[in-house]
Amino acid sequence: GAVVSQHPSWVICKSGTSVKIECRSLDFQATTMFWYRQFPKQSLMLMATSNEGSKATYEQGVEKDKFLINHASLTLSTLTVTSAHPEDSSFYICSASPPYQPQHFGDGTRLSIL
Amino acid sequence: GQQLNQSPQSMFIQEGEDVSMNCTSSSIFNTWLWYKQDPGEGPVLLIALYKAGELTSNGRLTAQFGITRKDSFLNISASIPSDVGIYFCAGQEEAGNNRKLIWGLGTSLAVNP
Repeated sequence: GAVVSQHPSWVICKSGTSVKIECRSLDFQATTMFWYRQFPKQSLMLMATSNEGSKATYEQGVEKDKFLINHASLTLSTLTVTSAHPEDSSFYICSASPPYQPQHFGDGTRLSIL
Repeated sequence: GQQLNQSPQSMFIQEGEDVSMNCTSSSIFNTWLWYKQDPGEGPVLLIALYKAGELTSNGRLTAQFGITRKDSFLNISASIPSDVGIYFCAGQEEAGNNRKLIWGLGTSLAVNP
């Protein structure tokens, strides 16, 4: 149990396009999901907390207009990287906490902007 | 943002050896977590600790929640090649789930068969 699914696992796109990443809790409902960014050989960096039915809470230094988060249902949160540029290339990971459990993570999305 | 002091940064050991890594914090934590991350994948939860002094095992893994609530260690006994990966500690200052985690910088483990 407690599966978090992330899609796509890998995406390559041209500079200037927008990319949407989905995070789903498959066997539990998640009122809160978290979005992280990870650079090679570094730790996870929290970008934002996604709240079902309300606005996301962004960490300091994260552009909310650049990284749009929508948490429209109890099992789905999406992160859209708008007008992506090469510096947005990274590994993006989402997580969610089943009831009374710590955060469980998706398998991540490798984003490459050409 | 705040990060935990995790050490060692990397380890290269022989198969069968025991491994120990630890994390310290300047603030008190309510929860300590240990995750393992393989290349190209998300972190996988290994052990969760909720009480000061708590010692918990998961197979060959043992972790403890420091009595001061500012540190935790993870031990791996009789290492095997599949233990290779990056181990992260994470702490939570507030009780309950759906709380932000503060992360260590990771310990990269290499095991020589």
